[in-house]
Amino acid sequence: EADIYQTPRYLVIGTGKKITLECSQTMGHDKMYWYQQDPGMELHLIHYSYGVNSTEKGDLSSESTVSRIRTEHFPLTLESARPSHTSQYLCASKGTNSYEQYFGPGTRLTVT
Amino acid sequence: AQSVTQPDIHITVSEGASLELRCNYSYGATPYLFWYVQSPGQGLQLLLKYFSGDTLVQGIKGFEAEFKRSQSSFNLRKPSVHWSDAAEYFCAVGASAGNEKLTFGTGTRLTIIP
Repeated sequence: EADIYQTPRYLVIGTGKKITLECSQTMGHDKMYWYQQDPGMELHLIHYSYGVNSTEKGDLSSESTVSRIRTEHFPLTLESARPSHTSQYLCASKGTNSYEQYFGPGTRLTVT
Repeated sequence: AQSVTQPDIHITVSEGASLELRCNYSYGATPYLFWYVQSPGQGLQLLLKYFSGDTLVQGIKGFEAEFKRSQSSFNLRKPSVHWSDAAEYFCAVGASAGNEKLTFGTGTRLTIIP
């Protein structure tokens, strides 16, 4: 079982608020990913990182930003939340010598 | 560009019956293929993976999948389902080199009836 954690698990917040979704892994994986998943839908990659100080945008355009100051930590920030940001956000990580990604439990975000 | 198709949005099977979930991929070279399972409100758990070698791969929870290059398929099977297998199942493809990204299918929701 992979050790990757996300907090909070559930968040309801008002429009215009700044939020940060936390993701941490204890496996020493250098690669980390953020996916957005709407109910009953596929996962869309929104950000990824190859290592410390590396961040890239994914296939789905997102107004969120990410940072990677430490190997184990990959937070996602929304400067001004909107109802269109309501979704589930999944964090994943992968080791250098493997191709499988390990997922956290997800954060379900609702913006009212 | 790589892509994945899961043609069945929702499947219902009786407990104890056999199961096959379909997955077709599109990729120009040898793909890396995965099946993940997602229980409600949870993240994704890796069931099994195929990189090379034996085309029949075994995974956790009694699942297996067979890679068929000629059909561009990677179908997931289980000989006898349990009520706890009810979940959403996602097939994913990754490039064999360079590209670190996974492309997911839209998922198949599995319902188990007594």
